[in-house]
Amino acid sequence: EAEVAQSPRYKITEKSQAVAFWCDPISGHATLYWYRQILGQGPELLVQFQDESVVDDSQLPKDRFSAERLKGVDSTLKIQPAELGDSAMYLCASSSRDRGGYTFGSGTRLTVV
Amino acid sequence: LAKTTQPISMDSYEGQEVNITCSHNNIATNDYITWYQQFPSQGPRFIIQGYKTKVTNEVASLFIPADRKSSTLSLPRVSLSDTAVYYCLVGAPNTNAGKSTFGDGTTLTVKP
Repeated sequence: EAEVAQSPRYKITEKSQAVAFWCDPISGHATLYWYRQILGQGPELLVQFQDESVVDDSQLPKDRFSAERLKGVDSTLKIQPAELGDSAMYLCASSSRDRGGYTFGSGTRLTVV
Repeated sequence: LAKTTQPISMDSYEGQEVNITCSHNNIATNDYITWYQQFPSQGPRFIIQGYKTKVTNEVASLFIPADRKSSTLSLPRVSLSDTAVYYCLVGAPNTNAGKSTFGDGTTLTVKP
């Protein structure tokens, strides 16, 4: 079964440093999502791409977070500078038109110290 | 915004059928109902999706009444490995995902 690839799996960074996460969606999936999940809560949408265009980034803290999907395939989410409150699981998901639901990756567990 | 309400937690025993209900009073005409399962330190996994009446696949059934204001995920004969968090999500497929939220899910604990 095809998977959404994410890296790194775990990341520890110091406060005020920059950090980046990478996601490779399932081949052919035009829609890509980045979610943040704080321990004990459900995933919260940060940004949605349709091909290379941003569909929704209303919940993305744009003063420190940025996301890109330059060629409409893989995507990078960046945080600069990282804050203690950014510690969470960052999940990437993708979807296609011919199948319902999202396919999620295994996520990147970020710890800011 | 498609808001959902689920029980925070449920307990069951191995071999029993488990039914988890989700309320979505403001569901829109073109919204579908999708359920996900999440284990610790993993991303959510798609379980089942439906629009109305009943949908069944190899792992679960989804019951949706005529008014579509609620839905019930049914897991037959659960095992210890079904212990997880279950999320109900309401939204139109492949549209603005920001219009649907995961909520905090239902933590199902299956006991021996």
